[in-house]
Amino acid sequence: DSGVTQTPKHLITATGQRVTLRCSPRSGDLSVYWYQQSLDQGLQFLIHYYNGEERAKGNILERFSAQQFPDLHSELNLSSLELGDSALYFCASSVGGGGTDTQYFGPGTRLTVL
Amino acid sequence: GIQVEQSPPDLILQEGANSTLRCNFSDSVNNLQWFHQNPWGQLINLFYIPSGTKQNGRLSATTVATERYSLLYISSSQTTDSGVYFCAGPHSSGAGSYQLTFGKGTKLSVIP
Repeated sequence: DSGVTQTPKHLITATGQRVTLRCSPRSGDLSVYWYQQSLDQGLQFLIHYYNGEERAKGNILERFSAQQFPDLHSELNLSSLELGDSALYFCASSVGGGGTDTQYFGPGTRLTVL
Repeated sequence: GIQVEQSPPDLILQEGANSTLRCNFSDSVNNLQWFHQNPWGQLINLFYIPSGTKQNGRLSATTVATERYSLLYISSSQTTDSGVYFCAGPHSSGAGSYQLTFGKGTKLSVIP
């Protein structure tokens, strides 16, 4: 158990809908990262928050947004869902945001868009 | 950003055999992580190994930072070792943020 929790584990929804994925980092970690794993793109970085502030964006679509709350949990919002958004979404956390910090991954949320 | 290449892409082993997985990266890194993704999709941290050698049970890893590669050794493989092994290195996008760039993985199947 990495100490990072994600809910829900599975999500099945229809095209055009909006969903929210939730992540709670390990106790003491200030950074939260979101990654997407799809069959064709592999594991890709989406966005990084550090202590409530957005630090970096990767290959995140404009239909997707995220935030980190004062209690450090984070939510990833996916809207106007398309079939291609079906993927495994991981949250990771680390103490800081530096290049020498170990990132610990949650169990993931498997999103299926029908 | 850095490029991470893993080899081999697929590996089939008889239970009890040993194996070596390789990760090459295009630039120097100050961090390298190895993960195991089990058949249920969970990503499990195996090693944080910017340089040198570490061992954890039947698994060990070596990173030679100056030559930009890392090796993961699995000894006396078991069926529970099956899954996909990823290595990942940090990529800076500025503003003090480092995200992980992953290789495509090595899919390991251990057969009884």
